Amino acid sequence: AQKVTQAQTEISVVEKEDVTLDCVYETRDTTYYLFWYKQPPSGELVFLIRRNSFDEQNEISGRYSWNFQKSTSSFNFTITASQVVDSAVYFCALSEAWGKLTFGTGTRLTIIP
Amino acid sequence: GAVVSQHPSWVICKSGTSVKIECRSLDFQATTMFWYRQFPKQSLMLMATSNEGSKATYEQGVEKDKFLINHASLTLSTLTVTSAHPEDSSFYICSARDAHEMGNSPLHFGNGTRLTVT
Repeated sequence: AQKVTQAQTEISVVEKEDVTLDCVYETRDTTYYLFWYKQPPSGELVFLIRRNSFDEQNEISGRYSWNFQKSTSSFNFTITASQVVDSAVYFCALSEAWGKLTFGTGTRLTIIP
Repeated sequence: GAVVSQHPSWVICKSGTSVKIECRSLDFQATTMFWYRQFPKQSLMLMATSNEGSKATYEQGVEKDKFLINHASLTLSTLTVTSAHPEDSSFYICSARDAHEMGNSPLHFGNGTRLTVT
């Protein structure tokens, strides 16, 4: 069975600090996809990134970066120079079967002005 | 970009009544839609997979007679919570897969429906 673990329940950092959100996953499949979503207080899910299991290249998008390491089954997410608007709950998710997502328990990130 | 519209965004109903939630793909065809439930401060849990023109597939522990799913067209899936009880109060969110997208592409999510049963 697949499983996603986000060990950090809540994180608070001061604005402009960097912060890394951890994600560890378990799967028996060799082909799978990993996602990160942001859920602001309004509740909607905002897609941030998708990574397939064959692409271990790290990715950077503005202040966001992702580190995928298959050897440790981790897919960590870093926000540099954090801003108050980054405050939200962040979910890591894993997809094996077509379209079905298994979500982690989420990390509530609070950026203190 | 692909948009999924979910309606209503919030609803309050009395215990024992039924509530219908709609999930529409606005600019793409979705042969498959997914319904998730999220209790306060918890993660999203998949309830069921809705397939256009066929019966939905429910996850273990989800009562199919209580959560009725209908996916009658390529752009609309509905979730009806029947005989709602206070413990059904939750955030329900749908997602849709574009039938024309290749591979395991990002799912498009609706904005969710917050259900409160009094």
